[in-house]
Amino acid sequence: EDKVVQSPLSLVVHEGDTVTLNCSYEVTNFRSLLWYKQEKKAPTFLFMLTSSGIEKKSGRLSSILDKKELSSILNITATQTGDSAIYLCAVVGSQGNLIFGKGTKLSVKP
Amino acid sequence: DAGVIQSPRHEVTEMGQEVTLRCKPISGHDYLFWYRQTMMRGLELLIYFNNNVPIDDSGMPEDRFSAKMPNASFSTLKIQPSEPRDSAVYFCASSFQEVPNSPLHFGNGTRLTVT
Repeated sequence: EDKVVQSPLSLVVHEGDTVTLNCSYEVTNFRSLLWYKQEKKAPTFLFMLTSSGIEKKSGRLSSILDKKELSSILNITATQTGDSAIYLCAVVGSQGNLIFGKGTKLSVKP
Repeated sequence: DAGVIQSPRHEVTEMGQEVTLRCKPISGHDYLFWYRQTMMRGLELLIYFNNNVPIDDSGMPEDRFSAKMPNASFSTLKIQPSEPRDSAVYFCASSFQEVPNSPLHFGNGTRLTVT
């Protein structure tokens, strides 16, 4: 059965801290891994990773995939209160659909 | 681009009643997905369509759930009869191409409460 596990489930940090969120997966015929950010409403797309070892970067956020370890990390540097959200990791399942992890709830305190 | 539009935003109903959730995907997107989100189980795929045809409905919990896509710009998810355990946020999402060639774009969801 295809599976995505994220850790930690929740995290509280202070502004300016750097955080690392983890995602591990088990999926038949891996094609890609995606990260989404969910604030109060709809998840919004952050990154899609297909190749191992290549970092995707957008401002203070970056992500990298390790196919050997079947995992990915999402880094956020110099965190701000606006980074508070649930971060979702998803992989493409054997049926061609997206399978999501339960998410990591990040709270950034001022 | 108006994004994926879902209605209603909130729905409160009593156990046993029929509930219909609606979705308008982004114009030109060929794929439409229905997800359900709860604290316990996270985001779960219920069903997805390609060019209005259901492709995978293995996530639909039971016969009480049904989904239709009569045309490229409209889909419904119906629960009949509803039960308290159906309480969740239901998201509709669409994509231009097959996942993972293009990302999903989510609507703002319908929060369903069944009492």
